[in-house]
Amino acid sequence: GQSLEQPSEVTAVEGAIVQINCTYQTSGFYGLSWYQQHDGGAPTFLSYNALDGLEETGRFSSFLSRSDSYGYLLLQELQMKDSASYFCAWTGGLTGGGNKLTFGTGTQLKVEL
Amino acid sequence: DVKVTQSSRYLVKRTGEKVFLECVQDMDHENMFWYRQDPGLGLRLIYFSYDVKMKEKGDIPEGYSVSREKKERFSLILESASTNQTSMYLCASSLGGPPEQYFGPGTRLTVT
Repeated sequence: GQSLEQPSEVTAVEGAIVQINCTYQTSGFYGLSWYQQHDGGAPTFLSYNALDGLEETGRFSSFLSRSDSYGYLLLQELQMKDSASYFCAWTGGLTGGGNKLTFGTGTQLKVEL
Repeated sequence: DVKVTQSSRYLVKRTGEKVFLECVQDMDHENMFWYRQDPGLGLRLIYFSYDVKMKEKGDIPEGYSVSREKKERFSLILESASTNQTSMYLCASSLGGPPEQYFGPGTRLTVT
């Protein structure tokens, strides 16, 4: 089976940098995605790592280490609007089942003044 | 912009009723997915479809079925609703390639 572990909650101050970790135990790992979900809203895609290393998209970066079965989402220059839940999601690749995702349980980020 | 719509935002049904949840996407995506989301459990995949009339079980298919008669529409069916199916149901769609899924606003279903 597959499992992904994330911290349930993280609190940080506006303007700071925060890292949300995701460790996984899967078979047939292909890549790791990150999604953001505000309260009452739909999840939205943030980033995807298929290869080891860092992917940067504006204030958000995502990192993957296959050898350590580990990834993280890095949020810089935190803003109040970044308060949301963040989910890592594993994909087993492009099979007849398409890009099926298995989600972690999510990390609730609270940004304080 | 990709748009995924779901038929209801809130729904209240009685135990034993047959429930239909509808999802429509307007971007000609091959793949469509149904998830349920419960506090502390994240999003769990119920069923998905990668083509018209094709379906595959996800991680928690028991008590559910699906239908995909047209490419843009994917329906989730609760044959006989039970109280443990009270949850937020999210539909998503994606192209065949990258793992970016586009989600609808969700349907909060309460079974009493």
